[in-house]
Amino acid sequence: DTEVTQTPKHLVMGMTNKKSLKCEQHMGHRAMYWYKQKAKKPPELMFVYSYEKLSINESVPSRFSPECPNSSLLNLHLHALQPEDSALYLCASSQGTPYSNQPQHFGDGTRLSIL
Amino acid sequence: GNSVTQMEGPVTLSEEAFLTINCTYTATGYPSLFWYVQYPGEGLQLLLKATKADDKGSNKGFEATYRKETTSFHLEKGSVQVSDSAVYFCALSDRLNYGQNFVFGPGTRLSVLP
Repeated sequence: DTEVTQTPKHLVMGMTNKKSLKCEQHMGHRAMYWYKQKAKKPPELMFVYSYEKLSINESVPSRFSPECPNSSLLNLHLHALQPEDSALYLCASSQGTPYSNQPQHFGDGTRLSIL
Repeated sequence: GNSVTQMEGPVTLSEEAFLTINCTYTATGYPSLFWYVQYPGEGLQLLLKATKADDKGSNKGFEATYRKETTSFHLEKGSVQVSDSAVYFCALSDRLNYGQNFVFGPGTRLSVLP
């Protein structure tokens, strides 16, 4: 069983819809991450939230908006997505200690399809 | 910047065969190294890790040794099973002011035939 829980598991939405992906961890980790994974490709980092500081990959379009209500929750708000945004979205967490060499723990992902 | 290179496969083996998946990296400083496995329809699971030179990570019969002199972290298993069929990602973790930056290799798809 994964210790990082993502909901929903599957999401189909139109290009004009607004939806949110949710991620929760109960391991006391202080860093959480959103990744995008296209088929047969490795995950690509989108956002990092660590010690109340949000860092953004500048190549991520503004139609993706992260939110961290508390240290165990991380949301990804979606608006006006494009068909090329269809992918598996993975959430991960880690201890987040500065200079940490600890692994990241991944959820099972949300498979997103844009019509 | 930092990067990870690994054989992309697909790799097809018979059950009980020996497995090697090569991984080499380019990095400044002293990154930690990881192997993750992804089964169909699932997220990534940590398989093993090594945090300094000459460390050997091991789990479920898989092993990898952090070789600083050759900048490598090859994954090996002596006898694969059908249940090992999955995609394997080599990754390095680099420290940053805001946390970790994980750099993944392209992934190696392994198919084990009965």
